[in-house]
Amino acid sequence: NAGVTQTPKFQVLKTGQSMTLQCAQDMNHEYMSWYRQDPGMGLRLIHYSVGAGITDQGEVPNGYNVSRSTTEDFPLRLLSAAPSQTSVYFCASTYTANTEAFFGQGTRLTVV
Amino acid sequence: GQQVMQIPQYQHVQEGEDFTTYCNSSTTLSNIQWYKQRPGGHPVFLIQLVKSGEVKKQKRLTFQFGEAKKNSSLHITATQTTDVGTYFCAGDRGTSYGKLTFGQGTILTVHP
Repeated sequence: NAGVTQTPKFQVLKTGQSMTLQCAQDMNHEYMSWYRQDPGMGLRLIHYSVGAGITDQGEVPNGYNVSRSTTEDFPLRLLSAAPSQTSVYFCASTYTANTEAFFGQGTRLTVV
Repeated sequence: GQQVMQIPQYQHVQEGEDFTTYCNSSTTLSNIQWYKQRPGGHPVFLIQLVKSGEVKKQKRLTFQFGEAKKNSSLHITATQTTDVGTYFCAGDRGTSYGKLTFGQGTILTVHP
């Protein structure tokens, strides 16, 4: 049972490049979320999903895109990377609303 | 929007001293969750508080939820070097989406 798996662990992008951060969970959780973590700012919600085919914006969605075609996968796309998107990104899943969140190991992204 | 403020941002203690972090929400919460993140790691769920005035203990950790369900605290008795990390509270307003709003976190350093 792997839990929540994120790839890659580290990534360096040039400004303007696009990429997809992968997130997969094997716990059959309906709810999945993407957060970014910046020093002194805690974890901020980017996008979330309450089930396959259903996504919505969080607190800081600009510059990011998501889709949820299966229960297991919730990829995060950076459309045109900017230095302000340098951060650590965490994917999380929960079985239902209002239950504990399980986090992936994180992706450390640097945009130069 | 909902805000969750957490203080202090940093706390340095000598091993054996006690530690407390406080969390305050701008809105009434359905429940509050606490997470611990070790340096270089990902957030790991510690506990969830649901009831007004609730107090829960886990060994040396004591968690409290305020009577108005707008504030919470985590107290660690007799800290150990294994307690090092960042402690986050996360507020849930109880929507069907289960969105969490994280505090900024308290970074705990324990000097042996």
